[in-house]
Amino acid sequence: GDSVTQMEGPVTLSEEAFLTINCTYTATGYPSLFWYVQYPGEGLQLLLKATKADDKGSNKGFEATYRKETTSFHLEKGSVQVSDSAVYFCALSDQYTGNQFYFGTGTSLTVIP
Amino acid sequence: GAVVSQHPSRVICKSGTSVKIECRSLDFQATTMFWYRQFPKKSLMLMATSNEGSKATYEQGVEKDKFLINHASLTLSTLTVTSAHPEDSSFYICSAIWRTNEKLFFGSGTQLSVL
Repeated sequence: GDSVTQMEGPVTLSEEAFLTINCTYTATGYPSLFWYVQYPGEGLQLLLKATKADDKGSNKGFEATYRKETTSFHLEKGSVQVSDSAVYFCALSDQYTGNQFYFGTGTSLTVIP
Repeated sequence: GAVVSQHPSRVICKSGTSVKIECRSLDFQATTMFWYRQFPKKSLMLMATSNEGSKATYEQGVEKDKFLINHASLTLSTLTVTSAHPEDSSFYICSAIWRTNEKLFFGSGTQLSVL
């Protein structure tokens, strides 16, 4: 069945460091891929998405490229800020499974000044 | 943009009581809503998929009789935790689909604490 595997956290980085959070997926069809972010005390928010192979989603300096050949959707940011401290979830939605969303386990990021 | 309202944001109850959590799509019709449970290490688990006008589809291992889901209208889904116990204490999040395979909008979550 469909699933998402996300790198374990927590991740602690210094401000302005480079961030990568790995995400790989297994899907029956051709899923859409998402990154969601949960800031402390808040619900989940969509950060970025990609709906087909080679698409690059980007928002707030974060980027992720839909790689069908490696079934990956790694999240990257060139220079993190303290305000990026949050939990990040990789997710997929597959029309072949009724558009159900599958989430990774979440990666906690803490950025220190 | 589309908004999903979840209420209450926090509830504390005694063991054995039932708690109802509401999830409303405020400015769009959500044919499908999802209920998730978030565990202490931040992992998110899909509990059930709720379709308007039909019975919810529960994930394996989720007790149907304990977590009652009702999706009575295109804008409202409710999750009732029946006879709650301390192990049910968790953060519950609802979400709704706006258009097929497009965005998934989330409620702000409900922190349930069972004493």
